[in-house]
Amino acid sequence: GDSVTQTEGLVTLTEGLPVMLNCTYQSTYSPFLFWYVQHLNEAPKLLLKSFTDNKRPEHQGFHATLHKSSSSFHLQKSSAQLSDSALYYCASSVYAQGLTFGLGTRVSVFP
Amino acid sequence: DPKIIQKPKYLVAVTGSEKILICEQYLGHNAMYWYRQSAKKPLEFMFSYSYQKLMDNQTASSRFQPQSSKKNHLDLQITALKPDDSATYFCASSQEVGQTSGNTLYFGEGSRLIVV
Repeated sequence: GDSVTQTEGLVTLTEGLPVMLNCTYQSTYSPFLFWYVQHLNEAPKLLLKSFTDNKRPEHQGFHATLHKSSSSFHLQKSSAQLSDSALYYCASSVYAQGLTFGLGTRVSVFP
Repeated sequence: DPKIIQKPKYLVAVTGSEKILICEQYLGHNAMYWYRQSAKKPLEFMFSYSYQKLMDNQTASSRFQPQSSKKNHLDLQITALKPDDSATYFCASSQEVGQTSGNTLYFGEGSRLIVV
């Protein structure tokens, strides 16, 4: 079945340093890929999404490039901010289920 | 103003009891979902509805029953509650259900259930 893999459970870094969160997926079809962000005690919210191979959507300083050849959709930001501390989910679209989510990566940014 | 309203926000229930989680969306969407989030399995899909019809059910237990009285309502009834049911239950909606449509899911703020 369809699945999404996020390899890091926890990422800790110092403010101003770059951050990259890994995401790979397995799907029978060619799905949309999404990144959602969930701040403490809040609902998950869309960060960005993509369907087009090798295109790089950007939002709030984050970007991710969908590479269909490697089934990857890694999330990156060049300079992390304290407010980026949150739980990040990679997800792929699955017919009739909305989205299937990875296990999530918790990002903690320290001053 | 929140466009997806979930009630109650917090709930403590006794083992064996029955509770209903309420969800209403005011986004004009045709598809609604329930997801569960716990320490063991973050954001786990439970049910999806499209035009008030069940599309998919990945919940093994029949103790969880979705109920859709209107297109913009999808409540979740949970019977014979167990401590393992303790989790945050998120309602979500999207314009349509479809794998290649790229529909964004919008989430409510969740109902946090603790079963003692």
